[in-house]
Amino acid sequence: ETGVTQTPRHLVMGMTNKKSLKCEQHLGHNAMYWYKQSAKKPLELMFVYNFKEQTENNSVPSRFSPECPNSSHLFLHLHTLQPEDSALYLCASSQGDLGRYEAFFGQGTRLTVV
Amino acid sequence: GNSVTQMEGPVTLSEEAFLTINCTYTATGYPSLFWYVQYPGEGLQLLLKATKADDKGSNKGFEATYRKETTSFHLEKGSVQVSDSAVYFCALSQPIYNQGGKLIFGQGTELSVKP
Repeated sequence: ETGVTQTPRHLVMGMTNKKSLKCEQHLGHNAMYWYKQSAKKPLELMFVYNFKEQTENNSVPSRFSPECPNSSHLFLHLHTLQPEDSALYLCASSQGDLGRYEAFFGQGTRLTVV
Repeated sequence: GNSVTQMEGPVTLSEEAFLTINCTYTATGYPSLFWYVQYPGEGLQLLLKATKADDKGSNKGFEATYRKETTSFHLEKGSVQVSDSAVYFCALSQPIYNQGGKLIFGQGTELSVKP
């Protein structure tokens, strides 16, 4: 148990579907992150939230829409995705300053777009 | 911009062999450096870290030394076990002004240890 829980663990969706990924942490952290992990590529940072405010959007297409209603929950809303969006989506949280504090990762959601 | 480069895998070793996974970085300023490990079907876990030049991070028999002169942070272990089979990620922290920071990862190196 890492303290960061992601649901669902697996998701298959069509290109016209709308779905959401959920991330929850009860570690008292104030920063949360979405990463995309594709085969044979480095982890790509997508979004950063600090104290519920989005502080980084790493040129992510608008078909990915994050939401952070409070410091414990983070969502990634998906619509009209492409097959190349198939990947493992990882959520992470940290106390804040990643130079001093560890990032805790969830187990990820394996997304397949058909 | 900041970046991390790791040796390509997969790396296949026999049990009790010596492990080195190379990692070099490009960064402005003075980042902290990390090794994360991802076991099959799991998320990433912090393995060790170093926050300044010449620091040595260590955990579970793994070690890495922050070498500013060679911009490297190579991971080593003297005697690997089958249970060490996983994907290893080198990373650096890049500050976001007044907002903590973010992690920049290398592409990962898969390690397979055979009995």
